[in-house]
Amino acid sequence: AAGVIQSPRHLIKEKRETATLKCYPIPRHDTVYWYQQGPGQDPQFLISFYEKMQSDKGSIPDRFSAQQFSDYHSELNMSSLELGDSALYFCASSFGGTSTDTQYFGPGTRLTVL
Amino acid sequence: QQPVQSPQAVILREGEDAVINCSSSKALYSVHWYRQKHGEAPVFLMILLKGGEQKGHEKISASFNEKKQQSSLYLTASQLSYSGTYFCGTVLFNQAGTALIFGKGTTLSVSS
Repeated sequence: AAGVIQSPRHLIKEKRETATLKCYPIPRHDTVYWYQQGPGQDPQFLISFYEKMQSDKGSIPDRFSAQQFSDYHSELNMSSLELGDSALYFCASSFGGTSTDTQYFGPGTRLTVL
Repeated sequence: QQPVQSPQAVILREGEDAVINCSSSKALYSVHWYRQKHGEAPVFLMILLKGGEQKGHEKISASFNEKKQQSSLYLTASQLSYSGTYFCGTVLFNQAGTALIFGKGTTLSVSS
């Protein structure tokens, strides 16, 4: 079965640079979530989209922005990167846009900021 | 609002059982259980949607006590493949959004 696709899988950036992470949800899924997971920590919710509209916002820094496109893929744009942004970034997708839907996680993008 | 998981870590021999608890200070609407291996994506195990509901998959089952605002994950006759970190993700009753709030995780180590 098709899974969530994230690219790139690994990304190395310098401080103050920008980065773009991409997420391709499972076919026919209409909801995308972004989570950030630091080393040894639990996933922290950043932002979500349902049918191309922002549906929920968590602890996403103002330096970050995201959107969901007409084909339902999503991009997380990160600017003025800081050392503390180094983490695993997961995208999850679901169908239905409700809190009873199962969220399926992608393999993640490991961002390292030097 | 973050749920509290206990214990923090469990060490088992193959074939032993374990229980992982997830407690919330606020009323829960749903509880989602995931297992994550180091450096990999969280893998969905099961979702519990209403109080008292119990779900099972092979030797892994879970319960949801709405009154106690708690869910428990039961792993019986553990296998080496059960090793990993288990997270409960919660959606609060009357929560505006659908995002999951995860507990800090319980690390399970199974040895032969």
